[in-house]
Amino acid sequence: DTAVSQTPKYLVTQMGNDKSIKCEQNLGHDTMYWYKQDSKKFLKIMFSYNNKELIINETVPNRFSPKSPDKAHLNLHINSLELGDSAVYFCASSRGLGSYEQYFGPGTRLTVT
Amino acid sequence: AQTVTQSQPEMSVQEAETVTLSCTYDTSENNYYLFWYKQPPSRQMILVIRQEAYKQQNATENRFSVNFQKAAKSFSLKISDSQLGDTAMYFCAFTFRTGANNLFFGTGTRLTVIP
Repeated sequence: DTAVSQTPKYLVTQMGNDKSIKCEQNLGHDTMYWYKQDSKKFLKIMFSYNNKELIINETVPNRFSPKSPDKAHLNLHINSLELGDSAVYFCASSRGLGSYEQYFGPGTRLTVT
Repeated sequence: AQTVTQSQPEMSVQEAETVTLSCTYDTSENNYYLFWYKQPPSRQMILVIRQEAYKQQNATENRFSVNFQKAAKSFSLKISDSQLGDTAMYFCAFTFRTGANNLFFGTGTRLTVIP
């Protein structure tokens, strides 16, 4: 029983394309996150949703748009992909605001050529 | 601004020995949690240990323990009886008790356990 799942695990695409990464959690959590891990392994928050409402929107280009159709899903859509978007993207969830423990998905390695 | 510093990009330790990974952080807030995450080659982020900042007692989880010095804003991880499966990237992180609860991560320490 996977707690936080992401699809796909690997994504190779060309510059200029539009792609989506899906995230689902079956933990009944209210809060979900997207983190980006760059080539130097540095992890940084991109977005956070609580009960489908956007809570955090860090300085991320407008080409990145999160969408939360329901509490169990938080998808990440990226328009006009650039070489610098190549990274590993992690989805995570927590019980809710004020709950400290986050559960991470397996990550999606995005390679833009 | 919230920052986390891990000054050791790489470390190695002999199997069965003890190793300590250092971490310092900076925040003006008073209520927060601290964590160590492990990322093996599989890429999965695994929570190793957590510490509530309002607790003075250092957290322990089996072979893993922390040395939390709140005044110095220091949070080191000690791994005892190192095992080959401990080989991984280790990230120090913290989050606030209130608010959005996103994690602020350090740059990581790559630990290699040598047989």
